[in-house]
Amino acid sequence: AQSVAQPEDQVNVAEGNPLTVKCTYSVSGNPYLFWYVQYPNRGLQFLLKYITGDNLVKGSYGFEAEFNKSQTSFHLKKPSALVSDSALYFCAVRANQAGTALIFGKGTTLSVSS
Amino acid sequence: KAGVTQTPRYLIKTRGQQVTLSCSPISGHRSVSWYQQTPGQGLQFLFEYFSETQRNKGNFPGRFSGRQFSNSRSEMNVSTLELGDSALYLCASSTGTGNAGELFFGEGSRLTVL
Repeated sequence: AQSVAQPEDQVNVAEGNPLTVKCTYSVSGNPYLFWYVQYPNRGLQFLLKYITGDNLVKGSYGFEAEFNKSQTSFHLKKPSALVSDSALYFCAVRANQAGTALIFGKGTTLSVSS
Repeated sequence: KAGVTQTPRYLIKTRGQQVTLSCSPISGHRSVSWYQQTPGQGLQFLFEYFSETQRNKGNFPGRFSGRQFSNSRSEMNVSTLELGDSALYLCASSTGTGNAGELFFGEGSRLTVL
């Protein structure tokens, strides 16, 4: 069965420090991987995706993610965190099949302190 | 380009009632999918419609149903509401062709069942 795990419920970092939000996945075949961010009482906003090619993917707002096939991971990173990055982050996977359904992780709350 | 529009944004119902939620996708998008977000279960896929046909379905009881119209607008209906149906219901649209594309989410409809 396909699944996504975000092992940390919350990540706390100081503004200006690098941040990492972890994600591991389990899927048969080649995965399509996504990161989304959700601000309070809002929908999800797309940050970036990995489909194929370069393992380092760059996305919106200075975020990037590294795909690691051997470790089945897709960690989200940012070199320098901003207070405005504080939000709920979701990793998602789509198996290489027809349709657009995504399987989401439970989410990680990122808190950036000033 | 206008984003995904969901109506109503907030609604309160009582147990046993039914509810209909509406979603207008981004212009040109032919796929609409629905997700339920709750604190306990996180984000769960309900179903996806493409060109008026249900393409995928999640693991929800038959009380949850949906449809898509010829203009790609979609509705989802929940009958015989239960307290556990209280959730944020998110609609997402995509072009629907191929499965590498990201989903674009609406702001959601927050349903409270009393």
